[in-house]
Amino acid sequence: AQSVAQPEDQVNVAEGNPLTVKCTYSVSGNPYLFWYVQYPNRGLQFLLKYITGDNLVKGSYGFEAEFNKSQTSFHLKKPSALVSDSALYFCAVRDETGGSYIPTFGRGTSLIVHP
Amino acid sequence: DARVTQTPRHKVTEMGQEVTMRCQPILGHNTVFWYRQTMMQGLELLAYFRNRAPLDDSGMPKDRFSAEMPDATLATLKIQPSEPRDSAVYFCASGLGTEHNEQFFGPGTRLTVL
Repeated sequence: AQSVAQPEDQVNVAEGNPLTVKCTYSVSGNPYLFWYVQYPNRGLQFLLKYITGDNLVKGSYGFEAEFNKSQTSFHLKKPSALVSDSALYFCAVRDETGGSYIPTFGRGTSLIVHP
Repeated sequence: DARVTQTPRHKVTEMGQEVTMRCQPILGHNTVFWYRQTMMQGLELLAYFRNRAPLDDSGMPKDRFSAEMPDATLATLKIQPSEPRDSAVYFCASGLGTEHNEQFFGPGTRLTVL
């Protein structure tokens, strides 16, 4: 079975400060991990993914995420937040051994960047 | 710039009416997903197709919802009869059929059932 948790419904950060959006996962085998962003009245948009290899993954718009196997986490980070980063962020996981192509999405974290 | 398209973007209807939502996946993608998003439930998977075959529709209310892929360029989601609790945003997503490929989402259909 696969599951993902986003422990924070909302994250507030001041513009220019670093941001972190948390994600933890549970799988039977190895995880494939994804981050998506949803702007108001839009569909989800792919940001980055971890498949294998380097634990630090870089993605679109200056975002990056760090895969930590021992903590079963895949937190999304950005060194300097922009007001335009304000959006809903979803973490998703697929289990390598699950035999299914269906990902499990978290409930989403609303990121608010204050000017 | 390849994109998933969905029509209509907005639909307001009365309870009991049939609603049909359409999706055109990205050319070459062999997996299609239908999701429903609400404030209360978040993102829910309704149906999943691979190579046009329905593989998972366990999240879909079978008595009123149906999903089909008449051909590789069209996926449809129907609700008959519609109810106010069906009001939500419905997303279609497509992807290449491997576990490590990301999904590409359409802009969604915002459905309001009065």
